[in-house]
Amino acid sequence: SQQGEEDPQALSIQEGENATMNCSYKTSINNLQWYRQNSGRGLVHLILIRSNEREKHSGRLRVTLDTSKKSSSLLITASRAADTASYFCATAFWSNYQLIWGAGTKLIIKP
Amino acid sequence: GAVVSQHPSRVICKSGTSVKIECRSLDFQATTMFWYRQFPKQSLMLMATSNEGSKATYEQGVEKDKFLINHASLTLSTLTVTSAHPEDSSFYICSVNPETQYFGPGTRLLVL
Repeated sequence: SQQGEEDPQALSIQEGENATMNCSYKTSINNLQWYRQNSGRGLVHLILIRSNEREKHSGRLRVTLDTSKKSSSLLITASRAADTASYFCATAFWSNYQLIWGAGTKLIIKP
Repeated sequence: GAVVSQHPSRVICKSGTSVKIECRSLDFQATTMFWYRQFPKQSLMLMATSNEGSKATYEQGVEKDKFLINHASLTLSTLTVTSAHPEDSSFYICSVNPETQYFGPGTRLLVL
């Protein structure tokens, strides 16, 4: 099952622009993860941010985490056509290692 | 959305034995299924893509002779962990992908 909320559900921008996706969750977490899924393919892990971290970078990706607001954002800078995919956030809880998933944001980068 | 089941939900076995995990798509005919493993409080790692009627595609670093995948029908894929060792203890999750990802509930494997 998928829980949590992501917005926007869909985002279409021009190549070169920055893309920002948000994720909200409901309970305390151990960490929050972002994944990418290209059409017809499996999920690929992008970045993991722990509950005691506020910001993390990986290449053109920047992830922030605000535990007081129970929200996270994923920023992709200088977008490329190859970034076109669906992006999912998932939260991991303290007591087990099952992930709770957001519904995903479909990102389209127009050349 | 698609309903996906897995069996068993948890299994404990002795080192050296083989364990088979089933993934069933209950209301969707899936030509492709995905197998993931997840260590405690860590990311979900894609292991392989299971293709109905053909060989699975394994991700880099995943031993295909260790993790045997069979996708004999449009509703069933199986993952067999052969000669399991304690380091194979993990949470194994399958998913199907009509338009978006639908996950099974997972199988917790503990190898003693």
